[in-house]
Amino acid sequence: QSALTQPASVSGSPGQSITISCTGTSSDVGSYNSVSWYQQHPGEAPKLMIYDVNKRPSGVSNRLSGSKSGNTASLTISGLQAEDEADYYCCSYVGSSTWVFGGGTKLTVL
Amino acid sequence: EVQLVESGGGLVQPGRSLRLSCAASGFTFGEYAMHWVRQAPGKGLEWVSGISWKSSNTGYADSVKGRFTISRDNAKNSVYLQLNNLRAEDTAFYYCAKAPGVTAGYFDSWGQGTLVTVSS
Repeated sequence: QSALTQPASVSGSPGQSITISCTGTSSDVGSYNSVSWYQQHPGEAPKLMIYDVNKRPSGVSNRLSGSKSGNTASLTISGLQAEDEADYYCCSYVGSSTWVFGGGTKLTVL
Repeated sequence: EVQLVESGGGLVQPGRSLRLSCAASGFTFGEYAMHWVRQAPGKGLEWVSGISWKSSNTGYADSVKGRFTISRDNAKNSVYLQLNNLRAEDTAFYYCAKAPGVTAGYFDSWGQGTLVTVSS
């Protein structure tokens, strides 16, 4: 159960697009479509933003999108807004009823 | 509205035990899997354990296997996490989260967390 690999930080200016990668292995991200992304603002609980690789829950902005290629999943946020500044975590099913999160990425809106 | 409220956290000495509870409301509790996810202060998220809607399927992170036990009481709309033989590295906020299942899905609702501090 090694943590998925995410960049520690990414940044972008308002209106720009950014992509956060989430690299796993053929045993987790590469094998399952149960990849999800969570946003966490300081002092708050995480919030589901993307599930099943590329699906958005009701109420989540369509500026967010998810994708997967091989062992790497990605979260793209377009039209960056100040409110997008937060920590983002990916998560994947690993098999045998176990799950693993990525180390987290701090998104800074410049 | 889905509500998950954790309780039972606190300061505990290494080697001792603690039982966390999560009270759920706003959805049909018995139809969903429940999970525990923890976050050490200033650190990232770590999945800890999950339990299926009927308690027939459970999973544990390697870091807690053999020390933590997850259970649920559908009549009380509650899920529990028994923490035994606690270590300093177990210090974290513990969140309960609702999910469609244990072997697939995602964590679609989260509680606000309860803080467990392991220290002598």
